[in-house]
Amino acid sequence: QKEVEQDPGPLSVPEGAIVSLNCTYSNSAFQYFMWYRQYSRKGPELLMYTYSSGNKEDGRFTAQVDKSSKYISLFIRDSQPSDSATYLCAMSGVASGGSYIPTFGRGTSLIVHP
Amino acid sequence: DTGVSQDPRHKITKRGQNVTFRCDPISEHNRLYWYRQTLGQGPEFLTYFQNEAQLEKSRLLSDRFSAERPKGSFSTLEIQRTEQGDSAMYLCASSLRPYEQFFGPGTRLTVL
Repeated sequence: QKEVEQDPGPLSVPEGAIVSLNCTYSNSAFQYFMWYRQYSRKGPELLMYTYSSGNKEDGRFTAQVDKSSKYISLFIRDSQPSDSATYLCAMSGVASGGSYIPTFGRGTSLIVHP
Repeated sequence: DTGVSQDPRHKITKRGQNVTFRCDPISEHNRLYWYRQTLGQGPEFLTYFQNEAQLEKSRLLSDRFSAERPKGSFSTLEIQRTEQGDSAMYLCASSLRPYEQFFGPGTRLTVL
């Protein structure tokens, strides 16, 4: 079993839909939880990060962390075709030296069709 | 453009050749990371620098791989005696805060 599990999709939704993307993890030492967006043949772009449990909102994006269930989510409201990309979750704990090396999920491919 | 830059963007080489990639981080970032990403997978950590010190290396980083960050500025990743299994996207990221990494566009390596 991988430390971070993420369904690769693809997830296809109509424009304007609410999108829910999820990851589960097994390492209870993880404290920082990140979501990245990656367009084809580009580097990942950080969307949001959350420390410990709770919710965080930024525009159309909401990140949720449930440490008791080892489950994190990213919600996208009013999805747009420009949101079509691969969404990667990543998480890290505190390693010696404070390196915070993240472990990434494999990414979920999202397609928003007009 | 003040983002992370990587050079070259694409590299095609023959098996057994050596290749070197360069990463220029965001100027005030003291942390620099290298990752490898294959199709359909998330980035896999290779190595981490804080300033010029290489503080962590993944077991994925065999003795054919070496990375440097002289003077804590740009970094290079060298792969010696390339193998077909080395074909991947090599990503560099930099950060000031460790959980807020900014990635470059990557170098796509194809080993024939």
